[in-house]
Amino acid sequence: EDQVTQSPEALRLQEGESSSLNCSYTVSGLRGLFWYRQDPGKGPEFLFTLYSAGEEKEKERLKATLTKKESFLHITAPKPEDSATYLCAVQAYEDRGSTLGRLYFGRGTQLTVWP
Amino acid sequence: DVKVTQSSRYLVKRTGEKVFLECVQDMDHENMFWYRQDPGLGLRLIYFSYDVKMKEKGDIPEGYSVSREKKERFSLILESASTNQTSMYLCASSPGGATQETQYFGPGTRLLVL
Repeated sequence: EDQVTQSPEALRLQEGESSSLNCSYTVSGLRGLFWYRQDPGKGPEFLFTLYSAGEEKEKERLKATLTKKESFLHITAPKPEDSATYLCAVQAYEDRGSTLGRLYFGRGTQLTVWP
Repeated sequence: DVKVTQSSRYLVKRTGEKVFLECVQDMDHENMFWYRQDPGLGLRLIYFSYDVKMKEKGDIPEGYSVSREKKERFSLILESASTNQTSMYLCASSPGGATQETQYFGPGTRLLVL
């Protein structure tokens, strides 16, 4: 069973059309939730870390929010250069000692923004 | 800035060959990770290391081994490459010892096994 589920799998937006990506998780204790951006053929690039419910972080047209069981990545007035796959990952309290640094990744949302 | 580098961007190998993928980080991070990424399957953890000479199996360790002789370097070894190991391989590192562990990724190695 996946511990992190992202939806939708793919999203096509017209330039300027705001929307949200969803990341839901099933780990019982959350140490941190991470958002990454991945361009085709490249490694994921870190965007945000969220630690507790109610927290929000912003970067340019992106805003990430966190509730007790899910996170949203809001994209306001997107541009074609925002096209990428967005990955969500969680770090769980269940992990201790040697596995403390482990992250569990969702499968990503592939965002396409067309002009 | 954290920098994680991988030895090759593209690699073509033949079935049965022994393959070495190298990863180096320059931020004195304790933890290092190897993932593979396939369409529709997302990132899957192969192995990780939390200290020099220490390693832990991830979710799909079969057919792979790792080596960490120095803190900055983490190698992934395919003992006898098979076509089902054709994939994008990603290395990552994280600081270690902290409550929240941001992982930083390298550019990836796209491996084709013929």
